[in-house]
Amino acid sequence: QLQLEESGPGLVKPSETLSLTCIVSGDSINFNSYYWDWIRQPPGKGLEWIASIYHNGRTHYSPSLGGRVTTSVEASRNQFSLRLTSVTAADTAVYYCARHREHYYGQWGQGTLVTVSP
Amino acid sequence: DIQLTQSPSSLSASIGDRVTITCRASQSVRFYLNWYQQKPGKAPKVLIYGASSLQGGVPSRFSGSGSETDFTLVISSLQPEDFATYYCQQSFTVPYTFGQGTNLEIK
Repeated sequence: QLQLEESGPGLVKPSETLSLTCIVSGDSINFNSYYWDWIRQPPGKGLEWIASIYHNGRTHYSPSLGGRVTTSVEASRNQFSLRLTSVTAADTAVYYCARHREHYYGQWGQGTLVTVSP
Repeated sequence: DIQLTQSPSSLSASIGDRVTITCRASQSVRFYLNWYQQKPGKAPKVLIYGASSLQGGVPSRFSGSGSETDFTLVISSLQPEDFATYYCQQSFTVPYTFGQGTNLEIK
């Protein structure tokens, strides 16, 4: 059974880089037909799609993040990663990784809260 | 970007009630519209995908309909475990977008 687990620091200083990893277990990240996505949710607010990566490295990014975001796959470790540069308090959120298959998110990680604060 | 507008934003209902939540897209998403349920402190869970397909394991009291720009989620008879926040999401084109959410509360 597929499981996703986000990991990374829970506190990041303003202007620094947020880095998260999603560890995938129960399936190969290399299997085609899947996209691996990042979604975030500021406290008390709605869901925002951030980025998507295919197993071959093809990526899509939210234009609202202004080029600050990158995602990559580390196939040998069956995980994928998110980097968000120049963070501000507005980037404080619960960050989820999720598998995008057949046009919907069938599996999600449990989410990890990242707070941007001095 | 495709904007998704859900209505209502919040809703109070009783056990056994029939509840309808709508989602309107700013342009056609064909049938690439999904519905998720989220409970506090938990990740969202897909209920309906492709506008009307029920995800495995989801009770049949949940149903979805619609196409192009207008979609509906119906809960035919509310159960205690259904009180949560519901989101629609379009997967027709990037950037994928979500509705603002509908908070379903106990009356």
